[in-house]
Amino acid sequence: GEDVEQSLFLSVREGDSSVINCTYTDSSSTYLYWYKQEPGAGLQLLTYIFSNMDMKQDQRLTVLLNKKDKHLSLRIADTQTGDSAIYFCAESPATPYKLSFGAGTTVTVRA
Amino acid sequence: DGGITQSPKYLFRKEGQNVTLSCEQNLNHDAMYWYRQDPGQGLRLIYYSQIVNDFQKGDIAEGYSVSREKKESFPLTVTSAQKNPTAFYLCASRAKQTGLKGDTIYFGEGSWLTVV
Repeated sequence: GEDVEQSLFLSVREGDSSVINCTYTDSSSTYLYWYKQEPGAGLQLLTYIFSNMDMKQDQRLTVLLNKKDKHLSLRIADTQTGDSAIYFCAESPATPYKLSFGAGTTVTVRA
Repeated sequence: DGGITQSPKYLFRKEGQNVTLSCEQNLNHDAMYWYRQDPGQGLRLIYYSQIVNDFQKGDIAEGYSVSREKKESFPLTVTSAQKNPTAFYLCASRAKQTGLKGDTIYFGEGSWLTVV
C-alpha cells in the first residue's frame, strides 16, 4: 500500500547476508511484521516486532526498528536458496487491527 | 490439522457472473480478513470482520460482498460490479488479542480468480 514502501528487488549470493528495508508512515503503528510468500502460496509469518522494541533476533532473522525514522529492516544471515521468495513488510495500529502491506521485495538467491 | 482453508484454488468467471470464494478456519479465531493481491502492488484489504455478524469495508470493497454468519466461515462474493476481478485472493484470520503473544494474522493458501 501507499503507506508502506519497500524496494522491489534484491539479489544476493548464497551464504551472504540479505537486508530488506521498509518505511512506513503511520506513527500509530503498534505492530510491524515480516511475511514470506513463495510462488503461488499464501503468506507465512516470519517475525514481528512491537513498536516499543528496537531489535528482535530469531535464529537467522534480525529485525531492526527505527521508530523515529519509521524504518524497519529484516536481515537474513547466511542466505540460502530456500530463502528466495517475496518478502512483505506490514504494519498495523492496535485498533482497528488490520494490516497494511508494502508491495513486497522479491529476493533472488544466486549460487 | 488446524488452519485456514480456501476453496477453490482456481476459479474462472465469465463476465457478468457473481462468484463466491470460500474461507473456513478451525483455529477458533474471532477476526477474519480478505485481501486481494495483484503483481507489484502487494496486498490490499477488501473486507474484514472482527466478530460474527459484523464486518467492515477495507480499502477496495467496491464490487465485493461478504457475510459472517458463523465464526469459522467468511465467504467473499465477487460481483459483476467488480470490473477487474482477475487476481489472487487471500483469506486470513486472527485470534482476539489477549496479550502480547498471538497478535498476528495467519493466511490461507489463496484462490486464483480469472475472468474469461
